Amino acid sequence: DVKVTQSSRYLVKRTGEKVFLECVQDMDHENMFWYRQDPGLGLRLIYFSYDVKMKEKGDIPEGYSVSREKKERFSLILESASTNQTSMYLCASSPARGTGELFFGEGSRLTVL
Amino acid sequence: AQSVTQPDIHITVSEGASLELRCNYSYGATPYLFWYVQSPGQGLQLLLKYFSGDTLVQGIKGFEAEFKRSQSSFNLRKPSVHWSDAAEYFCAVPRMDSSYKLIFGSGTRLLVRP
Repeated sequence: DVKVTQSSRYLVKRTGEKVFLECVQDMDHENMFWYRQDPGLGLRLIYFSYDVKMKEKGDIPEGYSVSREKKERFSLILESASTNQTSMYLCASSPARGTGELFFGEGSRLTVL
Repeated sequence: AQSVTQPDIHITVSEGASLELRCNYSYGATPYLFWYVQSPGQGLQLLLKYFSGDTLVQGIKGFEAEFKRSQSSFNLRKPSVHWSDAAEYFCAVPRMDSSYKLIFGSGTRLLVRP
């Protein structure tokens, strides 16, 4: 069964802390994504990676960075967490020559106090 | 700007009743179209997708959706709702400038009355 795994389902951090959200996929997909989900706003794209060490900013990249050192792993980094980054974070992957269909992890709910 | 609109934020139906969730999109050509479902505290699962051909698409869990080009709509339907269908539903379409990125609607939360 294909899978996208997010390492932490729930995290509680303090303002100013550095936060790492990890995502691993076992489908050999080229594309990986980080979305943020907030009530009433749907899913908003933070960052996208189409290959190892390659990345593109999405719609709301401010306050975030990413790392993709291996094809299967895509990390989202909050350099200095703020309360307005309290949210659900969803990782997804897709093949390079696909239809746009995304495969999602179960999400990481981050609370910043 | 390209958009996906789900006009209903919440919908409540009784168990056994029929369901229709609305989705309208703006796009320059016939797009691929997707419906995803999110159970509480979970990630998104693909319900169904439209690529081409028959405009009535069957998905998992007894759901179907109909693509209507003239109305730029892709409404999701189910003839008889089960309590386990209570979830949030998202419609999505690829971006015109980058087809591997999806634009999502804001979602419709389905509540099911016993």
